[in-house]
Amino acid sequence: SQQGEEDPQALSIQEGENATMNCSYKTSINNLQWYRQNSGRGLVHLILIRSNEREKHSGRLRVTLDTSKKSSSLLITASRAADTASYFCATDISGGSNYKLTFGKGTLLTVNP
Amino acid sequence: GAGVSQSPSNKVTEKGKDVELRCDPISGHTALYWYRQSLGQGLEFLIYFQGNSAPDKSGLPSDRFSAERTGGSVSTLTIQRTQQEDSAVYLCASSPLRGYEQYFGPGTRLTVT
Repeated sequence: SQQGEEDPQALSIQEGENATMNCSYKTSINNLQWYRQNSGRGLVHLILIRSNEREKHSGRLRVTLDTSKKSSSLLITASRAADTASYFCATDISGGSNYKLTFGKGTLLTVNP
Repeated sequence: GAGVSQSPSNKVTEKGKDVELRCDPISGHTALYWYRQSLGQGLEFLIYFQGNSAPDKSGLPSDRFSAERTGGSVSTLTIQRTQQEDSAVYLCASSPLRGYEQYFGPGTRLTVT
């Protein structure tokens, strides 16, 4: 797998259900970030979780990070049709003066009304 | 407040022509990033600016690509002698500092015919 790879590639659920997306990566990270993208244009930042954190919450979003398994999950509870979007994880493996934030190919979430 | 802005929103150019894409980051953000996204793909990192330091150009795909950031604010991405494989959405983002969440602009959709 590549650095920052989401699973599943696509997910279709009914409104009100929970949606879980996973991200796996290969090398040690400084932090891991989740973004949402609507209609193939600008991305919106959702949550940033640092390597020494295990869980973060923001509204209906819950992100976990397991550095021993090199994986993260994004849980969206009580989904809404407006949550329909592509969700990307991004891993920060920057070091020194070099910057490196690597995005996966994303999970396409469809929430059916 | 104002977010990240990019111009033009769409650009159609003939193969072999040069193009300039502009990014205006959020005021006060010292870090600025350029990415490109091909259809159905994740984001590919291109270049990163931090304040007045030399940029990290490690993601530029060829020497036809260059970018500058004047006065630590506005940035221009230039693609010389465009090729059809350069067709993509070019996204700019800024953040207060490296390692913080990034704020994305709406992108420039470049089509090379």
